[in-house]
Amino acid sequence: DTAVSQTPKYLVTQMGNDKSIKCEQNLGHDTMYWYKQDSKKFLKIMFSYNNKELIINETVPNRFSPKSPDKAHLNLHINSLELGDSAVYFCASSLSWGGTNYGYTFGSGTRLTVV
Amino acid sequence: AQSVTQPDIHITVSEGASLELRCNYSYGATPYLFWYVQSPGQGLQLLLKYFSGDTLVQGIKGFEAEFKRSQSSFNLRKPSVHWSDAAEYFCAVGTSGGGADGLTFGKGTHLIIQP
Repeated sequence: DTAVSQTPKYLVTQMGNDKSIKCEQNLGHDTMYWYKQDSKKFLKIMFSYNNKELIINETVPNRFSPKSPDKAHLNLHINSLELGDSAVYFCASSLSWGGTNYGYTFGSGTRLTVV
Repeated sequence: AQSVTQPDIHITVSEGASLELRCNYSYGATPYLFWYVQSPGQGLQLLLKYFSGDTLVQGIKGFEAEFKRSQSSFNLRKPSVHWSDAAEYFCAVGTSGGGADGLTFGKGTHLIIQP
């Protein structure tokens, strides 16, 4: 009954490969996000999706593409992986819109290592 | 754009002693404020949040935080720390206009507990 689940938990891959990280939430939340945590533990938002629409797209490389088949899922596809993409990626969801925010729930993270 | 500053990168506290972790934010309107904790290799767990109302907020694990608008601060406190409190602590600010903008995180404070 995990609220926000990410798979895989660990991902080791070679430079140049294409990979995907999956995220699912069973909270009925209407907005989902991807965050990147770098080696210094700094967390920065990458994308958010609300009702299947991309709301914000921070200055991330276009090799990263979020895909949301439905409101409960937000997957992250990464093409042509680079060494600098190594990080922990967190999925999150929230129930909000129209001026009220009810907080955020985070997944347990996916540690991506590019070799 | 909003920002969060956590002035202390590392803090060392003796077990049983009191704790205060500092957080200052910058945001033009009423902020939504959060404290998260991240244990080694784990995801982010919400400790407490402030949306409105009483400026002293109680959270889980015996933590509390006080919102001071005049000082743009949202410091986290605990009267007596336990060894299990050793972790990374993140302060975050969300916009009051809704969840689409996601959270902006501080760079975190690493808490070390001495026996």
